[in-house]
Amino acid sequence: EAGVTQSPTHLIKTRGQQATLRCSPISGHTSVYWYQQALGLGLQFLLWYDEGEERNRGNFPPRFSGRQFPNYSSELNVNALELEDSALYLCASSLEGSGTGYQETQYFGPGTRLLVL
Amino acid sequence: AQRVTQPEKLLSVFKGAPVELKCNYSYSGSPELFWYVQYSRQRLQLLLRHISRESIKGFTADLNKGETSFHLKKPFAQEEDSAMYYCALSSRRGSEKLVFGKGTKLTVNP
Repeated sequence: EAGVTQSPTHLIKTRGQQATLRCSPISGHTSVYWYQQALGLGLQFLLWYDEGEERNRGNFPPRFSGRQFPNYSSELNVNALELEDSALYLCASSLEGSGTGYQETQYFGPGTRLLVL
Repeated sequence: AQRVTQPEKLLSVFKGAPVELKCNYSYSGSPELFWYVQYSRQRLQLLLRHISRESIKGFTADLNKGETSFHLKKPFAQEEDSAMYYCALSSRRGSEKLVFGKGTKLTVNP
């Protein structure tokens, strides 16, 4: 079974440009999560999409946005890029919540490394 | 606020020695705790979670609510255990986000 896939693997942009990162979840998974792993800051939650809707958002400015498509794949868009946006962006997917109150296991992709010059 | 602290950035042990990776958390409700591992050139993957109470690859972790800790332990470390280990926390209120610690890099020397 294919895991979570992300594209591109690397992305180089200049300050002020826009970046678009893509994620395809594991087949059957409806939830997609985005995390940022910046140097020295660890993994930080960005966004959670489920069934096409944004369900939760981390402490990031509005220029970080995204969407989830009907096939459950997702895009993360970062507008007006700043130097500190340089990071590894990880996507994860999971089954929809079972309603038991327990977290569904999140499966991670290999990440997209974004470099802003 | 939810917070996960892994006090050691680096941990080095010899093969066959016991290993303990520390994790402390801050959360007012009922948390769910996880350990994720990232081996060299591989993606982040779940190692274990406290609700399953399993032993994976010889690792165990017990949730201590009194000390708000979820330390990862293995009695006899192996060289293939060398990796980056992340402790993570989730609430059970359906927010479904994971709050990660900054990770501990474990090196098991031959």
